[in-house]
Amino acid sequence: QKEVEQDPGPLSVPEGAIVSLNCTYSNSAFQYFMWYRQYSRKGPELLMYTYSSGNKEDGRFTAQVDKSSKYISLFIRDSQPSDSATYLCAMSGLMEYGNKLVFGAGTILRVKS
Amino acid sequence: DGGITQSPKYLFRKEGQNVTLSCEQNLNHDAMYWYRQDPGQGLRLIYYSQIVNDFQKGDIAEGYSVSREKKESFPLTVTSAQKNPTAFYLCASKRDYGYTFGSGTRLTVV
Repeated sequence: QKEVEQDPGPLSVPEGAIVSLNCTYSNSAFQYFMWYRQYSRKGPELLMYTYSSGNKEDGRFTAQVDKSSKYISLFIRDSQPSDSATYLCAMSGLMEYGNKLVFGAGTILRVKS
Repeated sequence: DGGITQSPKYLFRKEGQNVTLSCEQNLNHDAMYWYRQDPGQGLRLIYYSQIVNDFQKGDIAEGYSVSREKKESFPLTVTSAQKNPTAFYLCASKRDYGYTFGSGTRLTVV
């Protein structure tokens, strides 16, 4: 079993829809949770960062962490064609010097205009 | 602008050949990482380095080698021992939280 599970999709939605992307994990030591967006043939870019449980909002994006269920989500409101990309969840334990991130496989999102 | 520069963007390797992928950063970050990305498998860690002249194997180090002689540079060599090297390779450095990634090198065996 992988430490981090993420449905690879693809997830196809119409423009303006609310998108929900999810990851589950098995390591209860994870405390830092991130979402990266990766456009085709580009490197991932950090989208959202959350420490421990709770919600974090940034514009059209909301990240949720439920540590009791070992489940994290990214919501995208009013989705746009420019949101079409692969979304990777990532997480780690103590963010000390050189600590490693564990990534999900990534979910391909396609927003149709 | 600060960032991570990977070169070349595309690289072709013949069977039995060693090739080196370049990664340079001007972010003054101590820790650097190499990942391999294959479709449907996410990012898998090859090697990482926390400080100059020190590096550790990741989950899939076989067939790869690295060096860290300067803080700014962390080159990755894909050796002939790597039997399936065709993939997208990403270099990253550790920021306050999360990583900053380069734009990647796509390696293809011909």
